[in-house]
Amino acid sequence: QKEVEQDPGPLSVPEGAIVSLNCTYSNSAFQYFMWYRQYSRKGPELLMYTYSSGNKEDGRFTAQVDKSSKYISLFIRDSQPSDSATYLCAMSYNNNDMRFGAGTRLTVKP
Amino acid sequence: DTGVSQNPRHKITKRGQNVTFRCDPISEHNRLYWYRQTLGQGPEFLTYFQNEAQLEKSRLLSDRFSAERPKGSFSTLEIQRTEQGDSAMYLCASSSTGVGYTFGSGTRLTVV
Repeated sequence: QKEVEQDPGPLSVPEGAIVSLNCTYSNSAFQYFMWYRQYSRKGPELLMYTYSSGNKEDGRFTAQVDKSSKYISLFIRDSQPSDSATYLCAMSYNNNDMRFGAGTRLTVKP
Repeated sequence: DTGVSQNPRHKITKRGQNVTFRCDPISEHNRLYWYRQTLGQGPEFLTYFQNEAQLEKSRLLSDRFSAERPKGSFSTLEIQRTEQGDSAMYLCASSSTGVGYTFGSGTRLTVV
């Protein structure tokens, strides 16, 4: 079993839809949780960062962490074609050795 | 400062050859990381520097891999006696506080 599990998709939604992306993990020591966006042939770009449990909102993006269920989510409201990318969850116990999910490939169709 | 710079962008090499990649982090960032990413997978941690000190190494980093960060500035990752399984995207990232990383665009290695 991988430490971080993420459904690779692909996920296709119409423009304006609410997108839900999720990851589960097995290491209860993880304290730092992040979501990255990666466009083709580019490095990952940090979208959201959360320490421990709770919710965090930034514009159209909301990150949720449920440590009791070892489950994290990223919601994208009013999705746009420019949101089409691969979304990677990442987590760490010490904010150094980050463990990534495999990434979910999202396409938002106009 | 335009972010994390990696060179070369692409490298094709024959099996058994040595290759070296360079990473120039954001100048005020004291932490530097190397990751490897294969197609359809997330990045895998290889090693981490704080200033010039290499503080963590993954077991993925076999004896054929070596990384340096002289003077705590740029870093190099060398792979000796390359194998086809080394074909991947090698990503460098830097951070100041450890709160999230800034990644470079990576070096894509193809071993033929």
